[in-house]
Amino acid sequence: KQEVTQIPAALSVPEGENLVLNCSFTDSAIYNLQWFRQDPGKGLTSLLLIQSSQREQTSGRLNASLDKSSGRSTLYIAASQPGDSATYLCAGWVLGGKLIFGQGTELSVKP
Amino acid sequence: ETGVTQTPRHLVMGMTNKKSLKCEQHLGHNAMYWYKQSAKKPLELMFVYSLEERVENNSVPSRFSPECPNSSHLFLHLHTLQPEDSALYLCASSQETHVGPGELFFGEGSRLTVL
Repeated sequence: KQEVTQIPAALSVPEGENLVLNCSFTDSAIYNLQWFRQDPGKGLTSLLLIQSSQREQTSGRLNASLDKSSGRSTLYIAASQPGDSATYLCAGWVLGGKLIFGQGTELSVKP
Repeated sequence: ETGVTQTPRHLVMGMTNKKSLKCEQHLGHNAMYWYKQSAKKPLELMFVYSLEERVENNSVPSRFSPECPNSSHLFLHLHTLQPEDSALYLCASSQETHVGPGELFFGEGSRLTVL
């Protein structure tokens, strides 16, 4: 059964730090990977989608990479700001068209 | 309106009530999804509709009944729920192509409390 692990489960950093969130799949057979942000009590906002032919995607201060051989993805956030505080979830598309979610990393950026 | 909208945002119901959650997508997508998000658990896929046909029913109890009248609307009908069904119910949509599912877009969710 495909499972997704996100490390760390929670992270608290001072404003301005660069940080890395990790996501790994028990089965490396994923083809698309999507990172989301979720604010408390809200829905999920799509941040980045890495499609099967890609290895990374960038949007502003965010960069996500995917290593299919190891089933690992990282989300890099540069120059973190208090507004980045949220839960970050990764999700991978596996064979059969299912999207499998991790439990998320709860990020707190202190001013 | 744009994106994916869900109503109601909050719902409190008794175990004997019947209610429905509604989702509407304004993105022209051809697939819609219901997910359940409980505290401290990963999102759980409940139902998938592709081109208005249900293609996934992830062992969901029959007290949850989905309906997809067209590609823009999705309902989740609820009846005789249990307290453990209290959760955030999220609707999503995507544009499926021949290479597979596209990027997923979510609504704000419906927070359900079952008393």
